[in-house]
Amino acid sequence: NAGVTQTPKFRILKIGQSMTLQCTQDMNHNYMYWYRQDPGMGLKLIYYSVGAGITDKGEVPNGYNVSRSTTEDFPLRLELAAPSQTSVYFCASRRSTDNYEQYFGPGTRLTVT
Amino acid sequence: TQLLEQSPQFLSIQEGENLTVYCNSSSVFSSLQWYRQEPGEGPVLLVTVVTGGEVKKLKRLTFQFGDARKDSSLHITAAQPGDTGLYLCAGAWGGSNYKLTFGKGTLLTVNP
Repeated sequence: NAGVTQTPKFRILKIGQSMTLQCTQDMNHNYMYWYRQDPGMGLKLIYYSVGAGITDKGEVPNGYNVSRSTTEDFPLRLELAAPSQTSVYFCASRRSTDNYEQYFGPGTRLTVT
Repeated sequence: TQLLEQSPQFLSIQEGENLTVYCNSSSVFSSLQWYRQEPGEGPVLLVTVVTGGEVKKLKRLTFQFGDARKDSSLHITAAQPGDTGLYLCAGAWGGSNYKLTFGKGTLLTVNP
């Protein structure tokens, strides 16, 4: 199993540009998450999904959108990139049964200039 | 949003020393997890604690969950350079065990 994969690994965007961060998991997990990690700030939850077709906002959803058309994929969309969105983005997944572990992808380092 | 305080934020020690990292909240956790993150990678789960007073050991790492389930600690005995990394605690509250709130992390450096 590949686990949780994210693409791209690095990206530089200009202010106002759009992009989609891809996340795929091959563990048949129902729950998927998007976090951002800023220096010294831990991880902040952006959006999460408890299954295909169901998404909900986390702590810091402004400026982002998500969709979950399949169990495997959970893309994160930035419509109008701003410097405040410069961060490292992590996707994670977990089973819906009583197993608390979240499995994280390797992250996408995004810079908006 | 529930708040989760983690301390210290930075810790630099010599190989062989012991250390303790703390994680606190004013609310009762339903579960708490400790993750370790290395540079350029995502966090990896070390342990999950659920029961108040619970103690779990993972080689030289000892995890304690407070009796009131509002705090937790991670103790490393005889730290080694391979223990270097960012240690994150993450808590769940109420019925939403699927949603975690992360602390800011403790960046540990173990010098040879």
